[in-house]
Amino acid sequence: GIQVEQSPPDLILQEGANSTLRCNFSDSVNNLQWFHQNPWGQLINLFYIPSGTKQNGRLSATTVATERYSLLYISSSQTTDSGVYFCAVRGPGHSTLTFGKGTMLLVSP
Amino acid sequence: DAGVIQSPRHEVTEMGQEVTLRCKPISGHNSLFWYRQTMMRGLELLIYFNNNVPIDDSGMPEDRFSAKMPNASFSTLKIQPSEPRDSAVYFCASSLGSQGGTGELFFGEGSRLTVL
Repeated sequence: GIQVEQSPPDLILQEGANSTLRCNFSDSVNNLQWFHQNPWGQLINLFYIPSGTKQNGRLSATTVATERYSLLYISSSQTTDSGVYFCAVRGPGHSTLTFGKGTMLLVSP
Repeated sequence: DAGVIQSPRHEVTEMGQEVTLRCKPISGHNSLFWYRQTMMRGLELLIYFNNNVPIDDSGMPEDRFSAKMPNASFSTLKIQPSEPRDSAVYFCASSLGSQGGTGELFFGEGSRLTVL
């Protein structure tokens, strides 16, 4: 099956800093999603982005499908951005998403 | 629009008891997934349904676990008998597409199960 690697595994930031999270995958995909799991355990959809670039407020994401990676950008980070960020992908012919192990982000005031 | 709705949000039970977790997918979605999350194993897919039919249950840990989807708006995950190692957060998720398809996946808020 598809392998998904996320980096870095952990990240500590000061409030206001910017960061880039990376997701590499081993095969072509027709679905790629970024999720944020907040400290209360909720899994929140950030982006559905099998290709291209999207922006939502301080967050943006870019997927370069031909090079098999996706990037999640967080600008002007806030303490509420803390949590775990998951990348998940699904390839053609597959029925379920494969999740990466996540990047744990801590934003300190 | 209502998202994926799960109940109960928290369940504490004793070893050997039956546990039933419930899920209502987003209206119109035709694929439903049950996941389990633990610190040790992360997010694991247990089973998924497409058009109310179980398609892949290879992630179900053992015969103590069973899942049903009697109609398009309701699914249950049952553990009988429960064991302490079943303690985890159980998530239900739904999407629109064929055989899971390419549709965006949405999660419920999870059911946190503690088996004493």
